Amino acid sequence: EAGVAQSPRYKIIEKRQSVAFWCNPISGHATLYWYQQILGQGPKLLIQFQNNGVVDDSQLPKDRFSAERLKGVDSTLKIQPAKLEDSAVYLCASSQNLADTQYFGPGTRLTVL
Amino acid sequence: KQEVTQIPAALSVPEGENLVLNCSFTDSAIYNLQWFRQDPGKGLTSLLLIQSSQREQTSGRLNASLDKSSGRSTLYIAASQPGDSATYLCAVSLGSNYQLIWGAGTKLIIKP
Repeated sequence: EAGVAQSPRYKIIEKRQSVAFWCNPISGHATLYWYQQILGQGPKLLIQFQNNGVVDDSQLPKDRFSAERLKGVDSTLKIQPAKLEDSAVYLCASSQNLADTQYFGPGTRLTVL
Repeated sequence: KQEVTQIPAALSVPEGENLVLNCSFTDSAIYNLQWFRQDPGKGLTSLLLIQSSQREQTSGRLNASLDKSSGRSTLYIAASQPGDSATYLCAVSLGSNYQLIWGAGTKLIIKP
């Protein structure tokens, strides 16, 4: 069974530029999550989808971050414009349903200069 | 507000020792508790999941316990090996969306 795929693996941008991350969850998984993990901290949930609907985006900085999950499969997370404090690893995870074990992708390491 | 704390932040032990990692949480109204492993440059891998009604779970050399009333969980690793070196994170699931609240992790180094 293929795991959660993410791209790119690494991205370096300058502040005020925009960036997009892509995630392909495990086939058949209804729930998809985007997390931000700052070095030395645990992951922080940014947004949670159930199929193509948003379940929780309370911690998503909506003035600069946006996410979508078209057709309830792949998802993209966008930052525009980026700030220095957005430097982190962005993790995508999926689960069969809301209460099930989450499976994580390898993450995208973002550096904002 | 639920808070999850992991102590110590880092631990270094010789190969072959048994060890215990600790996790504490402030609100006992959890759905489950999970232990994850994170290797450098990689995502997180789920190790053990304990439902709120359970006391412990075992997988190979790993044993996780849960005491909801005291807000504590421990991860016991038997006969540690250098390949166990990684960061171990615990997370509690709560709320109608089963959102995970995470600790900051314990970085474990097993010395050959």
